[in-house]
Amino acid sequence: ETGVTQSPTHLIKTRGQQVTLRCSSQSGHNTVSWYQQALGQGPQFIFQYYREEENGRGNFPPRFSGLQFPNYSSELNVNALELDDSALYLCASSKPTGVDTQYFGPGTRLTVL
Amino acid sequence: AQSVTQLDSQVPVFEEAPVELRCNYSSSVSVYLFWYVQYPNQGLQLLLKYLSGSTLVESINGFEAEFNKSQTSFHLRKPSVHISDTAEYFCAVRNAGGTSYGKLTFGQGTILTVHP
Repeated sequence: ETGVTQSPTHLIKTRGQQVTLRCSSQSGHNTVSWYQQALGQGPQFIFQYYREEENGRGNFPPRFSGLQFPNYSSELNVNALELDDSALYLCASSKPTGVDTQYFGPGTRLTVL
Repeated sequence: AQSVTQLDSQVPVFEEAPVELRCNYSSSVSVYLFWYVQYPNQGLQLLLKYLSGSTLVESINGFEAEFNKSQTSFHLRKPSVHISDTAEYFCAVRNAGGTSYGKLTFGQGTILTVHP
């Protein structure tokens, strides 16, 4: 059973640019959630995808968007980057059967200059 | 709305000493409770979870947590810590039911530092 992987590991962008982060879910998991973890903070829920549809969203503006693909890999897209978007972005996959454990990837560290 | 408060941002202890990391939550509905651990430059790993049943849950590496509904707490304990337990620990809650399975609400984290 493969774990959750994310790419890239680190990324540096400038304000106003757009970024795409990628996540490969654990085998057999068809639900993925994305979280933003600012330095010194706990992770904040961005949104969740189930069977390629967004089915839950946290308090993040529309410039944060996502996609989930038939193979259950997913993307997080952020447009018009702001300095405050600098954070560790984590994805987590799970099976939506009852209360299944969320398995987190190692994260992508995004720095916005 | 839910919230999680971890009462200590940093906890320094000596090796082989006991430790307790405190977590309180607020929710208008029933919740599931989790503790995750994050080692430097890594993602989150599930340490233990409370879903239902016995209020005392244990992890494979000696940690335990007790769900106290009346005090809305889920404190994490270990009777004897090791250097390798040095990490940041996050308490999290989730609605018990509903369709937003993925929405974990996390606390701010507690950095546990074990000194030799």
